Amino acid sequence: NAGVTQTPKFQVLKTGQSMTLQCAQDMNHEYMSWYRQDPGMGLRLIHYSVGAGITDQGEVPNGYNVSRSTTEDFPLRLLSAAPSQTSVYFCASTPTSAAYNEQFFGPGTRLTVL
Amino acid sequence: GNSVTQMEGPVTLSEEAFLTINCTYTATGYPSLFWYVQYPGEGLQLLLKATKADDKGSNKGFEATYRKETTSFHLEKGSVQVSDSAVYFCALSDRGFGNEKLTFGTGTRLTIIP
Repeated sequence: NAGVTQTPKFQVLKTGQSMTLQCAQDMNHEYMSWYRQDPGMGLRLIHYSVGAGITDQGEVPNGYNVSRSTTEDFPLRLLSAAPSQTSVYFCASTPTSAAYNEQFFGPGTRLTVL
Repeated sequence: GNSVTQMEGPVTLSEEAFLTINCTYTATGYPSLFWYVQYPGEGLQLLLKATKADDKGSNKGFEATYRKETTSFHLEKGSVQVSDSAVYFCALSDRGFGNEKLTFGTGTRLTIIP
């Protein structure tokens, strides 16, 4: 199993550009989520999905869109990038039925918006 | 709402020193508690977990005990190594089907010097 994979690893955007951060998992996990990591703030939940076709907002959803058409994939879209979205983005997954809610994280995407 | 408060870093210790990283939480229900570790340039990995009061999680020489009376989950290690240098995150997760959201602390950067 590859686990949770994320692409790209690094990305530089100009203000106003759009892009999609890719996330895929091969563990057949139902629950997937996106976090952003900023210095001194830990990880904050952006969006999450409890299964294909179902998504919901987390703590900091503004400026981001998600969709979940398959169990495996959970892309994060930035429609019009802003410097405030400069961050490291992590995708995570967990089997909904897990009693202890352990989440498995991807390696992250470091995004810089100029 | 749920929250996690972690000891602020950075923390610098000499090799073989005793480590404690404090973590306290606020939660409305009966959360599961976790310590995640992030090594340089990598995503988060689960270090240890505890799912009910008085449970002790342990892994790689690290330990933490779920203390409901003090709402704490402090991380300890008796003798740290240079390879333990990383950022450590305390986190909690509400139990319940379809509610696998993690709330993270801000992280504590640990540096071990030889």
